[in-house]
Amino acid sequence: EAQVTQNPRYLITVTGKKLTVTCSQNMNHEYMSWYRQDPGLGLRQIYYSMNVEVTDKGDVPEGYKVSRKEKRNFPLILESPSPNQTSLYFCASTPRVTHFNEQFFGPGTRLTVL
Amino acid sequence: AQTVTQSQPEMSVQEAETVTLSCTYDTSESDYYLFWYKQPPSRQMILVIRQEAYKQQNATENRFSVNFQKAAKSFSLKISDSQLGDAAMYFCAYGGGADGLTFGKGTHLIIQP
Repeated sequence: EAQVTQNPRYLITVTGKKLTVTCSQNMNHEYMSWYRQDPGLGLRQIYYSMNVEVTDKGDVPEGYKVSRKEKRNFPLILESPSPNQTSLYFCASTPRVTHFNEQFFGPGTRLTVL
Repeated sequence: AQTVTQSQPEMSVQEAETVTLSCTYDTSESDYYLFWYKQPPSRQMILVIRQEAYKQQNATENRFSVNFQKAAKSFSLKISDSQLGDAAMYFCAYGGGADGLTFGKGTHLIIQP
């Protein structure tokens, strides 16, 4: 089944404790991205990657890191989480940046930083 | 940068009636895509309908249709014969290139039985 998976689905952590949210897709998509969703703000892009070893900042990159060492995986790293990073996070992929007719979304990760 | 505006934070409609959700966007590009996504309480993002800007014909998917006005930069979603399962947050989104999708803030749709 073609899908985007994220882990964990729910996470409660404390300020300053490094964490990683994994994202994997099995569709051989080139383009992957991370969004955060906050009430009243919609979804905002954090980082994106057009292919392996190619990443770039989105609209709200502060406090986040990403890597793209393999085509299928695109982890989101919070090196020192803070309460303002409490949010719902989505990973998404699309075949390629020039084939932008749909993004496939993961199920979301609900993160709470205390 | 592109912007997407959904001016209706919340809409309510009686079951079986028709409702229209509004969306406007701003871009200087001529080739792009527009989308409506549905987010039910499960939080999953579900693609409802998409429109390619170079196509003049409005997209339709069963009970869902759009009114795409390129010159006015307007992209409204019409839901006909509303059903209880249509209750959700609806997001309008613009996609035009390497910087991913730009989303509106969403419209919460309530279906009254």
